[in-house]
Amino acid sequence: DGGITQSPKYLFRKEGQNVTLSCEQNLNHDAMYWYRQDPGQGLRLIYYSQIVNDFQKGDIAEGYSVSREKKESFPLTVTSAQKNPTAFYLCASSTSGGSGDTQYFGPGTRLTVL
Amino acid sequence: AQTVTQSQPEMSVQEAETVTLSCTYDTSESDYYLFWYKQPPSRQMILVIRQEAYKQQNATENRFSVNFQKAAKSFSLKISDSQLGDAAMYFCAYQIQGAQKLVFGQGTRLTINP
Repeated sequence: DGGITQSPKYLFRKEGQNVTLSCEQNLNHDAMYWYRQDPGQGLRLIYYSQIVNDFQKGDIAEGYSVSREKKESFPLTVTSAQKNPTAFYLCASSTSGGSGDTQYFGPGTRLTVL
Repeated sequence: AQTVTQSQPEMSVQEAETVTLSCTYDTSESDYYLFWYKQPPSRQMILVIRQEAYKQQNATENRFSVNFQKAAKSFSLKISDSQLGDAAMYFCAYQIQGAQKLVFGQGTRLTINP
């Protein structure tokens, strides 16, 4: 079945640690995205990538980093510079990254800072 | 700034009845796209319906339909014959032509009463 997988489902981090969230898709989509969701709020864009080896910052990129070495994969690293990383993180992909393309979402990763 | 407002934090409806969720948005753009996403307890975002702003005809998908009023910047979602499986958070989202990010509202929690 085609889809988007995210791992792990739950992640715990100690203060000062970097952690990496995995996102993989087998939909043959060119574009991939990372969003953050806080309680009682909608999603906010962290980073997006329209092609391999290229990515752009979204609205809340500070304290995060990404890479796009393969079309299928778009990992997100939450660095120690991110002041309030506890949140739900959702990865998405779309066909080309053009306006109006439907974004399909993965099941998410819940990150908690201890 | 582009904003999306969902004025109803919570709604409830009896099973088999009809419910309408409200969404308004603020933009100076003329070309854009509007979406309704559903987030069930599993927390995976699922596309419900999509509307292109240049189309006057309201989008429909089975029991789901929208009332798109471009001049009023309103994009409400109507769910007919509500089913228990419709219980979820519903998010309205907006994307301007030429942009990649979705701008989300804060969501409406829909409860279906049996």
